[in-house]
Amino acid sequence: QVQLQESGPGLVKPSQTLSLTCTVSGASISGGAYYWSWIRQHPGRGLEWLGHIYYTDSGSTYYNPSLQSRLTMSVDTSKNQFSLKLSSVTAADTAVYYCARGAYYFEYWGQGTLVTVSS
Amino acid sequence: EVVLTQSPGTLSLSPGERVTLSCRASQSISNNYLAWYQQKRGQAPRLLVYGASSRATGIPDRFSGSGSGTDFTLTISRLEPEDFAMYYCQQYVSSPRTFGQGTKVEIK
Repeated sequence: QVQLQESGPGLVKPSQTLSLTCTVSGASISGGAYYWSWIRQHPGRGLEWLGHIYYTDSGSTYYNPSLQSRLTMSVDTSKNQFSLKLSSVTAADTAVYYCARGAYYFEYWGQGTLVTVSS
Repeated sequence: EVVLTQSPGTLSLSPGERVTLSCRASQSISNNYLAWYQQKRGQAPRLLVYGASSRATGIPDRFSGSGSGTDFTLTISRLEPEDFAMYYCQQYVSSPRTFGQGTKVEIK
């Protein structure tokens, strides 16, 4: 059974970089033609796809254009993890962040982690 | 960017009733690249339907998806108590992937 689990700080100061990691179990990040995505949900609001990454030596990525300048995703196949970095955060980046498997639709999701941007 | 508009915003219904949720796209979604998700409070979304009409693994057959082009529908044939939740549609015909704003199905 494929499981995903997000981890990282729950509180980030404005202008700093938000960093999250997703640990995958029950499947190999580098096995199969799967992409790995990040999606967020602002409190009480809808869902926003942030981007996805495919495992390769360099990590093939596609980011939401609205956040592209601030986003970096990476893969660590040795730990079966993938990561998200969002720079120059503001209060508008306060959200529950989910990791998920897929580039098209998302069949497996992590439970989500709330990240609050506040001084 | 493909904008998805869901209607209605909220449905107040009783267990046993039939539910029809609508998702309209700002441009045609080819190959029926549309998915539906259910989300309960405090939980991650759960994939219900992909390809507009294919049920995901383990999804009961009371859930069915239909539609093409710009108009899609999720139907729940008979509401069970556990079906009261938020429902989102999502397109994957183009990037960025986008979601509708959701429909809340609440107990009447």
